[in-house]
Amino acid sequence: GAVVSQHPSWVICKSGTSVKIECRSLDFQATTMFWYRQFPKQSLMLMATSNEGSKATYEQGVEKDKFLINHASLTLSTLTVTSAHPEDSSFYICSATGTGIGYTFGSGTRLTVV
Amino acid sequence: GENVEQHPSTLSVQEGDSAVIKCTYSDSASNYFPWYKQELGKGPQLIIDIRSNVGEKKDQRIAVTLNKTAKHFSLHITETQPEDSAVYFCAASPSNSGYALNFGKGTSLLVTP
Repeated sequence: GAVVSQHPSWVICKSGTSVKIECRSLDFQATTMFWYRQFPKQSLMLMATSNEGSKATYEQGVEKDKFLINHASLTLSTLTVTSAHPEDSSFYICSATGTGIGYTFGSGTRLTVV
Repeated sequence: GENVEQHPSTLSVQEGDSAVIKCTYSDSASNYFPWYKQELGKGPQLIIDIRSNVGEKKDQRIAVTLNKTAKHFSLHITETQPEDSAVYFCAASPSNSGYALNFGKGTSLLVTP
């Protein structure tokens, strides 16, 4: 079946630094990738949608200059949290779809900003 | 946009009993309805899905029903086991790929031995 690999699984960073999260589709071409954020005991909230080779489309209220999304290839998308602050601490999850491939989720990244 | 409501938010059942989780959606353009199981600290795992041209789908102990006229769909788990304990999310989308999923708020299921 389709597999999406997300790294790192957890990261702790200092306030003001940047953190990059990678999402790779291992056995299919991910034409569309989604990035979600999930706070404790809450649902997945869509942050942005990215199509390979195009700029990401951000949801209302999500700062595009803070959450940089790159989807330069059909197998890799990255989310960079710039100038991270404690309120950015959350569980970040990517999801990918491709031709004939339904939604496949990564295992998530626990970001803690101290 | 699509609004997915999910109930109940918590559900506790005894091992062997059945569990039912219900969702409603608002957008008639939605045609794909997956259910996910999420364990603590992990990404969601698809457990079953249904498309709008089907009214019911079953996979062993898990079944999903869809009433497109009423815009609601339900997850049924029979003969529950402690390992079924997790958070379950319903979702809706116009298609099974390419569009963002709209998630319900989740149901925390606890199966007690």
